[in-house]
Amino acid sequence: DTAVSQTPKYLVTQMGNDKSIKCEQNLGHDTMYWYKQDSKKFLKIMFSYNNKELIINETVPNRFSPKSPDKAHLNLHINSLELGDSAVYFCASSHGTGGINSPLHFGNGTRLTVT
Amino acid sequence: SQKIEQNSEALNIQEGKTATLTCNYTNYSPAYLQWYRQDPGRGPVFLLLIRENEKEKRKERLKVTFDTTLKQSLFHITASQPADSATYLCALVTNDYKLSFGAGTTVTVRA
Repeated sequence: DTAVSQTPKYLVTQMGNDKSIKCEQNLGHDTMYWYKQDSKKFLKIMFSYNNKELIINETVPNRFSPKSPDKAHLNLHINSLELGDSAVYFCASSHGTGGINSPLHFGNGTRLTVT
Repeated sequence: SQKIEQNSEALNIQEGKTATLTCNYTNYSPAYLQWYRQDPGRGPVFLLLIRENEKEKRKERLKVTFDTTLKQSLFHITASQPADSATYLCALVTNDYKLSFGAGTTVTVRA
């Protein structure tokens, strides 16, 4: 009955590989997000989708590409992984757009380690 | 651009005392400000939301204040318990309608 679930929880891979992280929410929310938390614990937004449409696209490398097959799923694909991509990636969802007056519900993160 | 500063990285307090955390922001005042709790290895969990026209909000032992003149929100944990040990994040909407987070304050409550 997990509200926002993301897989895998841990991902260890080598530089240059391509990997994907999957996220699903069963809360009936129409907006989903990807956040990146670096080693200094800053949470930075990467992307946001509302009803499968991209509404926030932060300045992230083109190697990162989100895909939303339906409003309950938001996957993150990363090409040509680099050492600096190592971080914890969080998926989140909310009612409405932007989480302005509606709280975000987060998954438990995917710890990506690039060696 | 809007900056969010949480005053200290770590706060150590004795059980039973009140922990007070500060969140300061620059530039314009957001319409809403939120507080989250994050435990190690877990995602942030929403605690409280306060609107700009609300001075104070309470939830059990938690209290949040919002002072748009000072551009500051205070987060209080009263009668603190070891189970309150976690990192607390403030978040607000920036002028590009994104919810942005502060770096967080890690609270450790000693028994």
